[in-house]
Amino acid sequence: DAKTTQPPSMDCAEGRAANLPCNHSTISGNEYVYWYRQIHSQGPQYIIHGLKNNETNEMASLIITEDRKSSTLILPHATLRDTAVYYCIVTGADGLTFGKGTHLIIQP
Amino acid sequence: DAMVIQNPRYQVTQFGKPVTLSCSQTLNHNVMYWYQQKSSQAPKLLFHYYDKDFNNEADTPDNFQSRRPNTSFCFLDIRSPGLGDTAMYLCATSRDRVYEQYFGPGTRLTVT
Repeated sequence: DAKTTQPPSMDCAEGRAANLPCNHSTISGNEYVYWYRQIHSQGPQYIIHGLKNNETNEMASLIITEDRKSSTLILPHATLRDTAVYYCIVTGADGLTFGKGTHLIIQP
Repeated sequence: DAMVIQNPRYQVTQFGKPVTLSCSQTLNHNVMYWYQQKSSQAPKLLFHYYDKDFNNEADTPDNFQSRRPNTSFCFLDIRSPGLGDTAMYLCATSRDRVYEQYFGPGTRLTVT
């Protein structure tokens, strides 16, 4: 799996959009970009994934650059319940290799 | 609507005493995974089953084994737990390879 780089922590005001960046410069053609989050003491939760097109679902949007070397997860209206560790994972194989992730803190 | 269920949620065992953790799923997914998450660390894949085919990660200790008697259930057996095996153990399922994974709430294991 390709390695990913994420900022260790970010703050965002409640009600604003949270934009979480991820660099994956060594991604290969058949690898997907996945985002999961883990709220304290719970199991990770799937958010969204994509190959090369931008994706949107009820939770978030995923923007992947044209060269696929980086991506941004967007939570459009962050709430306090969105405080969690967010993991960007690039994989084309079974199982997930988790990096350190970004600890997103939503401020009231 | 619990989809991935793990039992027990909390388990305390003594050093060297075998322990079994259980995972069940109502999703009828082909693939089941076990991850270990130590305090303040990210989850780490131990092994997975694709249907009945068992796939072990290269660095998973021999002390850890798994059984999948049917589609719905998967067990994690730790033969002789050490203090370093204290961790959260997470079970996950996915419909097929390279699909999103659904995680259970985890079993918090403490080895004393």
